[in-house]
Amino acid sequence: AQSVTQLGSHVSVSEGALVLLRCNYSSSVPPYLFWYVQYPNQGLQLLLKYTTGATLVKGINGFEAEFKKSETSFHLTKPSAHMSDAAEYFCAALFNFGNEKLTFGTGTRLTIIP
Amino acid sequence: GAVVSQHPSWVICKSGTSVKIECRSLDFQATTMFWYRQFPKQSLMLMATSNEGSKATYEQGVEKDKFLINHASLTLSTLTVTSAHPEDSSFYICSARERPSGLSIRGQFFGPGTRLTVL
Repeated sequence: AQSVTQLGSHVSVSEGALVLLRCNYSSSVPPYLFWYVQYPNQGLQLLLKYTTGATLVKGINGFEAEFKKSETSFHLTKPSAHMSDAAEYFCAALFNFGNEKLTFGTGTRLTIIP
Repeated sequence: GAVVSQHPSWVICKSGTSVKIECRSLDFQATTMFWYRQFPKQSLMLMATSNEGSKATYEQGVEKDKFLINHASLTLSTLTVTSAHPEDSSFYICSARERPSGLSIRGQFFGPGTRLTVL
């Protein structure tokens, strides 16, 4: 079955340290992939997406993600964490290009340690 | 640009009553809106897809008579939880997609969510 898995429901990093949030997908055909961020009591905001072309995708707020087909992964990284990065992060996949239904991972809560 | 609002942001109601949640695209026309449900510490689960001017398409396991969806205009979709029960308590999130231009490169724009608590 097609699915999205986020390893680690909670990740804590020190301010200034590398942020790495993991996302893997399961499908025979590579989907379009998205990372969203959700701040408390707010909607989801698109950080970045991969559709076709360059596998290293740069997004807002200094985040980037690399699509690796061989590993069926789309991990999110940021070189230096900032306090304002504390939020819930969701990886999502579009498996069916015809109906644009997104399949979400369970989310990862990122905590930044001062 | 591309702002989606939801109203109310939170609501508490008694068991057996109905609750209406509005989802509005403020600065664009949304031919398609999606309704999600999010349980604590869980993923967003798609409930239904709403297309302007037509009946909503519900996901398997979602009771269409309980969760009434209306998409009467290009900027407004409503979700009505009828005869709400405590198990309906959840965080409901809508998203909207702009008029199609091939695959929407910008994806879906999400509302801030509505927290429903049924006593």
